[in-house]
Amino acid sequence: GAVVSQHPSWVICKSGTSVKIECRSLDFQATTMFWYRQFPKQSLMLMATSNEGSKATYEQGVEKDKFLINHASLTLSTLTVTSAHPEDSSFYICSATGQGEDNEQFFGPGTRLTVL
Amino acid sequence: AQSVTQPDIHITVSEGASLELRCNYSYGATPYLFWYVQSPGQGLQLLLKYFSGDTLVQGIKGFEAEFKRSQSSFNLRKPSVHWSDAAEYFCAVGPIQGAQKLVFGQGTRLTINP
Repeated sequence: GAVVSQHPSWVICKSGTSVKIECRSLDFQATTMFWYRQFPKQSLMLMATSNEGSKATYEQGVEKDKFLINHASLTLSTLTVTSAHPEDSSFYICSATGQGEDNEQFFGPGTRLTVL
Repeated sequence: AQSVTQPDIHITVSEGASLELRCNYSYGATPYLFWYVQSPGQGLQLLLKYFSGDTLVQGIKGFEAEFKRSQSSFNLRKPSVHWSDAAEYFCAVGPIQGAQKLVFGQGTRLTINP
């Protein structure tokens, strides 16, 4: 149980275009989803927290107009990188928590974004 | 502020040897503590977690961790490593600011010598 999927697993796009990444909880209802960014050989940096039906809460320094997050249902959250540039190239990982109070996050497999 | 420190960036051990990965945290109350493992190009898999109770926690794949409040530590151990244990290991603490957020350590990369 507690499986989280991401789509696509990798994407290459041209500079200036927008890219959408989906995060789905397959077998549970995710009250909260998180989006992380990970640079090579570094730790996970939390970008934003999203709750179903409400606006995402962005971490300090993360541009909310550039990284659009939508959490339309209890099983789906999307991250759209708008007007992507090469410096946005990174590994993006989502996670989800259920109803429990134990803070356990279930992670997706990640999406590798390369902006040319 | 809450923080997690993993002092060892990279550790190399021989297959069959014992392993200990260090994790120290800074937190104002009793934290929830986690160890995750990440294989290259993959997401994170939970190895084990501590919320309360017995300070020695058993996890998957033969790992265990011990919560030591006096030392603000939550070190991960395995008595005998296998080549498949080579990966990146992350320690995490939460909740953060009353929310279900986690703060992650910098990670420790584990290499296994045959």
